[in-house]
Amino acid sequence: QQQVKQSPQSLIVQKGGISIINCAYENTAFDYFPWYQQFPGKGPALLIAIRPDVSEKKEGRFTISFNKSAKQFSLHIMDSQPGDSATYFCAAGGRAGATNKLIFGTGTLLAVQP
Amino acid sequence: DVKVTQSSRYLVKRTGEKVFLECVQDMDHENMFWYRQDPGLGLRLIYFSYDVKMKEKGDIPEGYSVSREKKERFSLILESASTNQTSMYLCASQGYIGELFFGEGSRLTVL
Repeated sequence: QQQVKQSPQSLIVQKGGISIINCAYENTAFDYFPWYQQFPGKGPALLIAIRPDVSEKKEGRFTISFNKSAKQFSLHIMDSQPGDSATYFCAAGGRAGATNKLIFGTGTLLAVQP
Repeated sequence: DVKVTQSSRYLVKRTGEKVFLECVQDMDHENMFWYRQDPGLGLRLIYFSYDVKMKEKGDIPEGYSVSREKKERFSLILESASTNQTSMYLCASQGYIGELFFGEGSRLTVL
């Protein structure tokens, strides 16, 4: 019940295209769903996060879509740029304020070709 | 900006050696975490701490221990390093809305 399944494992997108990464979770108690971006040699950094009271959150070119009934959420990167090439991790966790252990997906290596 | 500093970026140790990985955060966060990152396996939680001297096991605590004597410092200890502990180790502190702030990682090679 603690797993977060992420797909695809790797993704190649042309510059200007849309990158889509999908995640599925099992534990219905999860109510915090962040995405992290990691560049080589760096630690992961928070990119965008959503809570289940909304179905979509957009920040610039990055959008999270959330489907509570299907227990799925996805990251969409619009107008993908070579600078977006990185590893992306989805995560899921319990309520903020308490000890919020985030469970991470296995990561997606995104390459945006110029 | 929150800063999480891991003392060693790269370490090479021999099997059986005791290894200390140090992590310091500057935001007075209560919760701190140690994750291990391996290709294809994502980030797996080793241990976390929600207060000074308090700790809880994560998903893969075997072969590891931790120490939190001061709020800003959380150390990961490998009592007797083994080759299967060769990995990238990531420390994180947790902000007030649940977000994690990661250090840049410590890449450990055990020969």
